[in-house]
Amino acid sequence: GAVVSQHPSWVICKSGTSVKIECRSLDFQATTMFWYRQFPKQSLMLMATSNEGSKATYEQGVEKDKFLINHASLTLSTLTVTSAHPEDSSFYICSATSTSGNSYEQYFGPGTRLTVT
Amino acid sequence: AQSVTQPDIHITVSEGASLELRCNYSYGATPYLFWYVQSPGQGLQLLLKYFSGDTLVQGIKGFEAEFKRSQSSFNLRKPSVHWSDAAEYFCAVGAQNDYKLSFGAGTTVTVRA
Repeated sequence: GAVVSQHPSWVICKSGTSVKIECRSLDFQATTMFWYRQFPKQSLMLMATSNEGSKATYEQGVEKDKFLINHASLTLSTLTVTSAHPEDSSFYICSATSTSGNSYEQYFGPGTRLTVT
Repeated sequence: AQSVTQPDIHITVSEGASLELRCNYSYGATPYLFWYVQSPGQGLQLLLKYFSGDTLVQGIKGFEAEFKRSQSSFNLRKPSVHWSDAAEYFCAVGAQNDYKLSFGAGTTVTVRA
């Protein structure tokens, strides 16, 4: 149980284009989803927190107009990188927490590697 | 706000030897503590977690961790490592009643034959 998927697993796009990454909770309803960014050999940096049906909360320094987050349902959140540039190339990981129980555990997706050329 | 320090960037251990990864946290109250493992190009897998109760926590893959409040530590141990344990290990801390996590910088574990 508690499986989170991401799609695509990797994507290459040209500079100036936009790319959308999906994060789905497959067997549970997710109250909250998180989006992280990870550079090579570095830790995860939280980008934003999204709750179903409300606007995402972005961490300091994250451009909300560049990284659009939509959490339209209890099983799906999307991250759209708008007007992507090479410096946006990174590994993006989402996680989700369940609406049931009292666990504060986050369930992580497998990540999406974005390369902007 | 909470924070995590993993003092060891890289550890090399022989297969069959014991492993200990250090984690120190900073948080004013009792934290929620987690250890995750990440294989190359993969997401994170939860090894174990501590919320309350017994300070020695057993996890998957033969890992355990001990919460020591006096030392603000949550070190991860495994008595005998396998080659498949080579990966990146992250310690994370969360605040009570808050889902947000702060991650340490990670420790890379290399297992030599």
